[in-house]
Amino acid sequence: EAQVTQNPRYLITVTGKKLTVTCSQNMNHEYMSWYRQDPGLGLRQIYYSMNVEVTDKGDVPEGYKVSRKEKRNFPLILESPSPNQTSLYFCASRDNRGTSESGKNIQYFGAGTRLSVL
Amino acid sequence: ILNVEQSPQSLHVQEGDSTNFTCSFPSSNFYALHWYRWETAKSPEALFVMTLNGDEKKKGRISATLNTKEGYSYLYIKGSQPEDSATYLCAPLPMTTDSWGKLQFGSGTQVVVTP
Repeated sequence: EAQVTQNPRYLITVTGKKLTVTCSQNMNHEYMSWYRQDPGLGLRQIYYSMNVEVTDKGDVPEGYKVSRKEKRNFPLILESPSPNQTSLYFCASRDNRGTSESGKNIQYFGAGTRLSVL
Repeated sequence: ILNVEQSPQSLHVQEGDSTNFTCSFPSSNFYALHWYRWETAKSPEALFVMTLNGDEKKKGRISATLNTKEGYSYLYIKGSQPEDSATYLCAPLPMTTDSWGKLQFGSGTQVVVTP
């Protein structure tokens, strides 16, 4: 079954305590991405990766780091979390090969990680 | 950042009624438009991928049309049912390779279907 798996699903932490949210996909997708969802602001892209060792900033990268050492994993790292990073986070992946007509560019989302930074 | 607008922000629909809503995006550098359906407490799921001007896609009672020249897409729900209640997101995929990775979502239209 095609899956994007995020862990943990829920996390409460304190300001400044480093944390990592893991993301793994089993579809051999080149492209992976992280989003945050805040009320009234929709989904905003944090970072994305076009392939292994290739990452780039999205629209709201400040305060986050990512790495892509292997194709299936794309962890999101908060080195020093702050309360304004309290949000719902989604990881997604898609196949960048082929064309949109073939449906291969659709994104598959993980179940989300709800993070609270106190 | 692409200017992607969805309107209205929310819709309340009586069961059995039909409804539609809009996604507007810059028409230049367009490659594809994605529609996603996002139910509460779940993750977004792809509904349609549209690439051609005049394209029309259908999945059950939900259909979508695309106008790339003027930069908009309509999504229609015919005979709404409570299970259609969700937030519907659109995301244009730009053509330029340096922005290929940036799938930017609109803020969504929240549809609530009441029995």
